[in-house]
Amino acid sequence: DAKTTQPTSMDCAEGRAANLPCNHSTISGNEYVYWYRQIHSQGPQYIIHGLKNNETNEMASLIITEDRKSSTLILPHATLRDTAVYYCIVRARYNAGNMLTFGGGTRLMVKP
Amino acid sequence: DARVTQTPRDKVTEMGQEVTMRCQPILGHNTVFWYRQTMMQGLELLAYFRNRAPLDDSGMPKDRFSAEMPDATLATLKIQPSEPRDSAVYFCASGLAGTGGYNEQFFGPGTRLTVL
Repeated sequence: DAKTTQPTSMDCAEGRAANLPCNHSTISGNEYVYWYRQIHSQGPQYIIHGLKNNETNEMASLIITEDRKSSTLILPHATLRDTAVYYCIVRARYNAGNMLTFGGGTRLMVKP
Repeated sequence: DARVTQTPRDKVTEMGQEVTMRCQPILGHNTVFWYRQTMMQGLELLAYFRNRAPLDDSGMPKDRFSAEMPDATLATLKIQPSEPRDSAVYFCASGLAGTGGYNEQFFGPGTRLTVL
């Protein structure tokens, strides 16, 4: 699976959009971009995934650049409960075990 | 609301003791994963199963760790003997592989292990 690079930490004001970047310059054609987050003292939680088109669900939006070498997770109206570590993961959709390899992630702090 | 459950939630034990952690995957899921999380190493995959068969346990110290799935509703992770460096939060996750859709992993609440 391709390696990802994320900022170690970010702050965001409550109610504002949180934009979390991820670089994955070595991504290959069959690899998807997945985002999970981990709220303190809980297990990681799936947020969203995409291949090359922008995606949106009830939790977030995912913007993938045309060359697919980077992406941005957008939380449109961040709340205090969105304070968490956000993990960007790149992997082939159908790898044998559906394994996830977690990096260091971005620690997002949403402030009042 | 289907969830992955893990027991115990917290375990404090002394070095040398056996520790068994249990996980109940979501009913119908056919893949189970064990992860370990520490401040230093972050989230590490220890082992995973598909249809109860171990696919990869290369992330697990073989001399003291063992993972099994006695049946489809129970996965266990054992440490014998335990050591202080095993202190961590152990997460179990389950998913559904082979359906053609994205197989997100659903994580349990974790077992916080402290080995004194």
